[in-house]
Formats: sequence, C-alpha cells, structure tokens
Amino acid sequence: GNSVTQMEGPVTLSEEAFLTINCTYTATGYPSLFWYVQYPGEGLQLLLKATKADDKGSNKGFEATYRKETTSFHLEKGSVQVSDSAVYFCALSVYSSASKIIFGSGTRLSIRP
Amino acid sequence: DVKVTQSSRYLVKRTGEKVFLECVQDMDHENMFWYRQDPGLGLRLIYFSYDVKMKEKGDIPEGYSVSREKKERFSLILESASTNQTSMYLCASTTGELAKNIQYFGAGTRLSVL
Repeated sequence: GNSVTQMEGPVTLSEEAFLTINCTYTATGYPSLFWYVQYPGEGLQLLLKATKADDKGSNKGFEATYRKETTSFHLEKGSVQVSDSAVYFCALSVYSSASKIIFGSGTRLSIRP
Repeated sequence: DVKVTQSSRYLVKRTGEKVFLECVQDMDHENMFWYRQDPGLGLRLIYFSYDVKMKEKGDIPEGYSVSREKKERFSLILESASTNQTSMYLCASTTGELAKNIQYFGAGTRLSVL
C-alpha cells in the first residue's frame, strides 16, 4: 500500500541552525510528493512539492529533493527562524479518481530565539 | 485568493447529540475532503467527495456521514457524537488535476464532546 513515514518530533533548534526533517515513502506507481506546514491555530498549507524523480521543490528557504532510489523526500533549511515554528507534514498522492493525499504523522518544530 | 471556510472554529457538544460541521470553498473545486487530526496520528481521511452527491469512505468513516448537495459545500455529520470523536476536524478541497493536486485547507474546527 501507500504510506509515508516521517521523523517523530518534537524537534527543537536554535535560531539560524540547520534543519532536516526526514521523510520516506512507499507507493505503488509514481507518486507526487509534498510538504505541508501548519502554523499554530491554522489549517495546513502547501510548502513545496515535487512531481517526479530528481525534482527539487523549494519555497521560503526550504528545499526537498524527490529521491526515487531511496524513496525519500527530506525537508531541509539552511538557517531556521523563530517564525518557522510549526508542524510539518510530508505527504504523497498517487493518481486516483479523487486525488487522495496520504499524510505522514507530522513533525512539530520549535525554534528558540 | 483561494478560500476554504469552516463554519466554526470551536464547538462543544454533548454525547449523543447530532453534530454538523460545514465547509465551503470558493474555488469551484471538484474534490472535497474531511480529515480528523489527532496528536501523533497525523491526518486521517474520514470521507471525500469527487462530485456533487458523490461520496466515498476514507480510512475512518465509522460514526460519520457526509452530504454534498452543492459543489461548493461539503458537510460532515456526526449522527450521535461520542467522546472519542473529540478532535480537530479539517476540510480540504482540490481541483483533482494530477499535475497540480494541491489541497487547500480550512482553518479547522476543534470539537469537544463531553
């Protein structure tokens, strides 16, 4: 079946630290991969996506590369800010009649000033 | 700007009550979804709809039903609320185009069942 596994949190870092949140997946076919972010008190919003192998998604200083050989889509940022504190969800979608998305369990990130 | 609106941010209901959660999107999207979000479990799909009056069960449909009478509105119904349905409920919509397939989320409804 299709599934997403991401590192458990919470993750606590100091401002300007380097961030990696690991995400691996299993899927039938060729999935699209996503990172969504949920800021406190809000719904989820798309952070970045990649639709085929070796694609790199990027947004707001975050990056993730679609690695088919390792079935991974790790999220990275070179220098985090306090405003990056949020819950991050890795997700995939595989073609179907209703374009369902399968989410990982989420990783809570807290950044210390 | 795209918008998914959930009718309530917070709800408190009693065990056995019938509960309606409403969701409206203004993007003319075909597909709409209801999830519940619980700590450590991420988002779990309850029901989705790919057209008016069409619905399909997600991963955890038990105790829930849905209604989609108009394209822009997707309602989640708890027929007889129970304490284990205390959760955050998120509605989402998407165009259904595989190349895009971005889900747009509402702000969520935090439901407490006492």
